[in-house]
Amino acid sequence: AQSVAQPEDQVNVAEGNPLTVKCTYSVSGNPYLFWYVQYPNRGLQFLLKYITGDNLVKGSYGFEAEFNKSQTSFHLKKPSALVSDSALYFCAVRDTDKLIFGTGTRLQVFP
Amino acid sequence: DTAVSQTPKYLVTQMGNDKSIKCEQNLGHDTMYWYKQDSKKFLKIMFSYNNKELIINETVPNRFSPKSPDKAHLNLHINSLELGDSAVYFCASEGRGNEKLFFGSGTQLSVL
Repeated sequence: AQSVAQPEDQVNVAEGNPLTVKCTYSVSGNPYLFWYVQYPNRGLQFLLKYITGDNLVKGSYGFEAEFNKSQTSFHLKKPSALVSDSALYFCAVRDTDKLIFGTGTRLQVFP
Repeated sequence: DTAVSQTPKYLVTQMGNDKSIKCEQNLGHDTMYWYKQDSKKFLKIMFSYNNKELIINETVPNRFSPKSPDKAHLNLHINSLELGDSAVYFCASEGRGNEKLFFGSGTQLSVL
């Protein structure tokens, strides 16, 4: 079965610094990988996806993610964090006809 | 216009009651889902429908019954509510080949 793991419950970063939110995957076949963000009291919003092609995927709000096949990782990155990026971030993998989500990582950006 | 809308936003009820949550999408999508988010924010799929047909039923107790009157609506009825049903329930939709889910803002269910 397909799965993703997010090893960090929380990531703290100062505003203006680069941020990384980690995700590793376990799949049979080619992975379809996603990142979603959840702001307080809101539903999840799509950030970006990797299906095939370039390993560096660019998404919404200045986020990007790097697909690394050898390390089975799909880390989310942003060069310069904003306080408004503080939210819950979910990595997900496509399993046939559904998305399987990781446990989520809370990103806290401090002014 | 909200793309995926759920009602109610909050639902507080007693154990043993029956309640429904409604979901509507105006995106013209064929596939709709129900996800449950527990108190630790873990998200788990419950059901999916494609064009009114049940596709996924993830070992959810049969007290939970989804109903899709048309492809724009997927409602969730819960019988004999239990304390463990307390969670946030999210509806989502997906267009064909889109590979991207659009989520509603959730229904926070509290069973007392």
